[in-house]
Amino acid sequence: GEDVEQSLFLSVREGDSSVINCTYTDSSSTYLYWYKQEPGAGLQLLTYIFSNMDMKQDQRLTVLLNKKDKHLSLRIADTQTGDSAIYFCAEKGADSWGKLQFGAGTQVVVTP
Amino acid sequence: GAVVSQHPSWVICKSGTSVKIECRSLDFQATTMFWYRQFPKQSLMLMATSNEGSKATYEQGVEKDKFLINHASLTLSTLTVTSAHPEDSSFYICSASGDQETQYFGPGTRLLVL
Repeated sequence: GEDVEQSLFLSVREGDSSVINCTYTDSSSTYLYWYKQEPGAGLQLLTYIFSNMDMKQDQRLTVLLNKKDKHLSLRIADTQTGDSAIYFCAEKGADSWGKLQFGAGTQVVVTP
Repeated sequence: GAVVSQHPSWVICKSGTSVKIECRSLDFQATTMFWYRQFPKQSLMLMATSNEGSKATYEQGVEKDKFLINHASLTLSTLTVTSAHPEDSSFYICSASGDQETQYFGPGTRLLVL
């Protein structure tokens, strides 16, 4: 099946930028997503990008997509303690009936 | 906008009983709803996809007679865990999509079977 991979852990100091990386294998991906999950909660859609775009910026969030290398990243500027959470990368294939393939999640810990 | 609710948020039941979990899209019509299961410190595992008015499509390895899914309206889907056993204890999360482009997730339901 198709794979989505992420690093498992990232530690960042408050005020610095965080960069979370994700790679995927499905060459037919149409949309790629970043979700945030706080402890005991569901997933919050942070942002998503269409596969024909290279970059998308939304306030403190910047998504970069390298379709050739199948690499997606999420940059969080001026990281705050409230950004501590698990971040999931997900992709939707062209004929996946809306199904998302998720990565394992990256635990981001923001230290003072 | 795009709010999805789940009820109950947590439930404890005895082994052998059935548990129903509701998933509602509060401010949009969801043509498709998805049910996921998440084990501690793991990613989400898709259990089934349901389209309004039709039978759910189950992922490989998910027992359709064990996990009954009903999607009777554009704003409501239910998951019933029948004859629950301790190994069914998990965090169940639903998501809803109205446009095949974005999925919005509910807050999850934690099930503990004793």
